[in-house]
Formats: sequence, structure tokens, C-alpha cells
Amino acid sequence: AQTVTQSQPEMSVQEAETVTLSCTYDTSESDYYLFWYKQPPSRQMILVIRQEAYKQQNATENRFSVNFQKAAKSFSLKISDSQLGDAAMYFCAYRNYSGNTPLVFGKGTRLSVIA
Amino acid sequence: DAGVIQSPRHEVTEMGQEVTLRCKPISGHDYLFWYRQTMMRGLELLIYFNNNVPIDDSGMPEDRFSAKMPNASFSTLKIQPSEPRDSAVYFCASSLAGGEGGFDIQYFGAGTRLSVL
Repeated sequence: AQTVTQSQPEMSVQEAETVTLSCTYDTSESDYYLFWYKQPPSRQMILVIRQEAYKQQNATENRFSVNFQKAAKSFSLKISDSQLGDAAMYFCAYRNYSGNTPLVFGKGTRLSVIA
Repeated sequence: DAGVIQSPRHEVTEMGQEVTLRCKPISGHDYLFWYRQTMMRGLELLIYFNNNVPIDDSGMPEDRFSAKMPNASFSTLKIQPSEPRDSAVYFCASSLAGGEGGFDIQYFGAGTRLSVL
């Protein structure tokens, strides 16, 4: 079974600075998808960024980018120019490549942004 | 589209009572997932459906839990009888097979926070 590990329960960053959230996963599959979801206090799960395992190029979405290291099974999220609205729980998630299979989530990292 | 709609947003009940959580997926989506979020276990899958048919219910904790999807636009998760350890946030998510270039993005509802006293 696949597992996802987020080793940082809590992180903090100064406004306008850069922060990196760590995620590692375990799978025997060669093709799969990886995601980062954001959960603000409103509880809504919001997709931040996604990555296909067979693509070597790291995904970027505005201030959000990933560092995908397939051999190391690592998928970290970098947030640049942090804003107060970035404060939330961040979940790393894995999904098998074949079809609409469920997401496997890490335990999450709570990010605080300091003004 | 209004997104995935869950009701109620909050539910407080007493131990032993029946609880029904409701979900309306995004129109046109053919997959529906129920997840549960707790502090101890994080987010975990309970059950998921494809075209209204349950595909995997191995995450349903016990017989007290049941889920149905009578049509493409509605699903329920029922707990009977409820226990304090069922207290959690329950999320519903939907996705479209082959959507978003194969990513099959799962869109989540706002969740139902269940408190069993």
C-alpha cells in the first residue's frame, strides 16, 4: 500500500519570505500523480498544485512550485513571497496512475504566516 | 457550477442516534468519494462510487456505517447508531474520469463536522 509522510507538523514563515514544505511517499508504481491541497480554517480542501510522475519538469502555479525528486520519492512544496492568506494546513497526496482511484494523504503541515 | 455541496455543515447528536450526511457532487462527475478527517488518523477514505456503484468500501469502519448513491446527483453516508468516536469531519469529493488531462482532479465539499456527545 502507498503511504505519504509529512515530517513537519508545523512550520512558520515571515510574510514575503519563502518556505518549503516536505513530503515523501512510498510506492512500487512507476507512474502516479502527486498533489498538494490547502485547507484554510474554513475547512475547504483546495487544490494547490499537481504533478505527473512521468514528467521530470517541476510543476509551478504562480507563487507555488514543487521540487519533485522521483528517485528519492520526494515531493516538496515551495511557497514564494508568502502572504497572510497562505496560512493553512497543507496536505500532500498521492494517487495511482490508473483511473480514478482514491487519494492517499499525508498527515498535513500547519503553516503560519507572520506579519 | 456550485461545486460539491454537503449538508449539514455541522451536526451535533447524542450517542445512539442515527446520523445522515448528504452530498451533491458536481454535475457530470462520475466518481464520488467519502473521506473522514480526524486528528489522530488524518484524512482517510471510507468508500467511493463509480457511476453510482460502490467500488471500494474497505475503509468503512464497521457495520454501523453505510453509504448509498441512489442517483448521479446525490449520496448519503449514514451512521447508526452513532458513537463518540465517530466525531470527525466528513468530506465528500467528486471527479470526472479522464478529466483535466487525466489528472481526474477530486473536488471537495466543505465537509460536515460531526460531534457525537
